[in-house]
Amino acid sequence: EPEVTQTPSHQVTQMGQEVILRCVPISNHLYFYWYRQILGQKVEFLVSFYNNEISEKSEIFDDQFSVERPDGSNFTLKIRSTKLEDSAMYFCASSFITSSGNTIYFGEGSWLTVV
Amino acid sequence: DAKTTQPNSMESNEEEPVHLPCNHSTISGTDYIHWYRQLPSQGPEYVIHGLTSNVNNRMASLAIAEDRKSSTLILHRATLRDAAVYYCILRSTTSGTYKYIFGTGTRLKVLA
Repeated sequence: EPEVTQTPSHQVTQMGQEVILRCVPISNHLYFYWYRQILGQKVEFLVSFYNNEISEKSEIFDDQFSVERPDGSNFTLKIRSTKLEDSAMYFCASSFITSSGNTIYFGEGSWLTVV
Repeated sequence: DAKTTQPNSMESNEEEPVHLPCNHSTISGTDYIHWYRQLPSQGPEYVIHGLTSNVNNRMASLAIAEDRKSSTLILHRATLRDAAVYYCILRSTTSGTYKYIFGTGTRLKVLA
């Protein structure tokens, strides 16, 4: 069964460093998403991406964050200058819109620890 | 997105059916009801979705009230692997937004 894959599974970085989290969405999907989950808290929406541009973003997704689809298969989330509060599990997801709505498929997550 | 209300936690014995309720009294006519679950240390996993009629798949059944103000996810025989947080999410097909908004869900504990 097709799946969303994410790398790395775990990354430790120093505060202020740049981090890039990578994702390979399901191949025929057109919408891409990043969510995050701080330990013990809810899954939070960050951003959605369609047709090579951001379609929606949350208040969390400030100027420190950016997304890119550099080629036909990868989808990346960049955090320019990490803060301690960016420590969380980051989930990539993708979906294919149909007339019955969309079902979003999530990856296993990238656990980011900022020290 | 319309709001959903779920119990914080539920317990079930292994191999017994589990009925996980969700209230969504402000649902609109074009909102689909989606259920996801999140196993420990994993990403959310699609379980089932429906609009008006009850739905069955290999994982679960979804029973939707006639007025659509509530729904119930049914796991026919709970196993230890079904211990997870279950999320009920409404998805509009007309709002132009495709994101899901997760609530706190129901934490299901399965007792051996």
